[in-house]
Amino acid sequence: QKEVEQNSGPLSVPEGAIASLNCTYSDRGSQSFFWYRQYSGKSPELIMFIYSNGDKEDGRFTAQLNKASQYVSLLIRDSQPSDSATYLCAVNSNQAGTALIFGKGTTLSVSS
Amino acid sequence: DAGITQSPRHKVTETGTPVTLRCHQTENHRYMYWYRQDPGHGLRLIHYSYGVKDTDKGEVSDGYSVSRSKTEDFLLTLESATSSQTSVYFCAISIQGNTIYFGEGSWLTVV
Repeated sequence: QKEVEQNSGPLSVPEGAIASLNCTYSDRGSQSFFWYRQYSGKSPELIMFIYSNGDKEDGRFTAQLNKASQYVSLLIRDSQPSDSATYLCAVNSNQAGTALIFGKGTTLSVSS
Repeated sequence: DAGITQSPRHKVTETGTPVTLRCHQTENHRYMYWYRQDPGHGLRLIHYSYGVKDTDKGEVSDGYSVSRSKTEDFLLTLESATSSQTSVYFCAISIQGNTIYFGEGSWLTVV
């Protein structure tokens, strides 16, 4: 059973700090990695995707991938209270078309 | 906006009754998915479709069936609803490669 693991949190950071969210995955064949943000009562929305080892930056968000360690992370710089949400890590399933396998999510709380 | 509409958005039904959730997309995407989301379990794939009349099972398909008679519509049916199927159901589409976008969700309560 392919798995994606995340610390459920909550992860609490003060406003302006860097929030670091981590994810590990079990399938070494995974090629695509995604981060989604989900506000309470809403649907998940895509933040970033990363395919290659290293860092990928988009505004205040940086995704980091280390395939050798089967580890992907999301850094949020200058965290804002509006960043308070659950963050879902996802990887491609390789077995169900282009479907993704999701972790259970990490809840982030940014205090002002 | 990925052009996905789910209906109904909220439904309360009784145990043993059939329920159909509809997912409608406006942009002719090939891949469509149904996920359910539950506390402690996260998002889990129920069924997916890779074209008209082409569907396959996901991780938690027992008790569910799907149909896709038109590219734009993907239906999820609970033949005989049970309390364990109380959940939030998300339809999703794949736009580029593995990039998946979700609909707004359907909240189903089985009493």
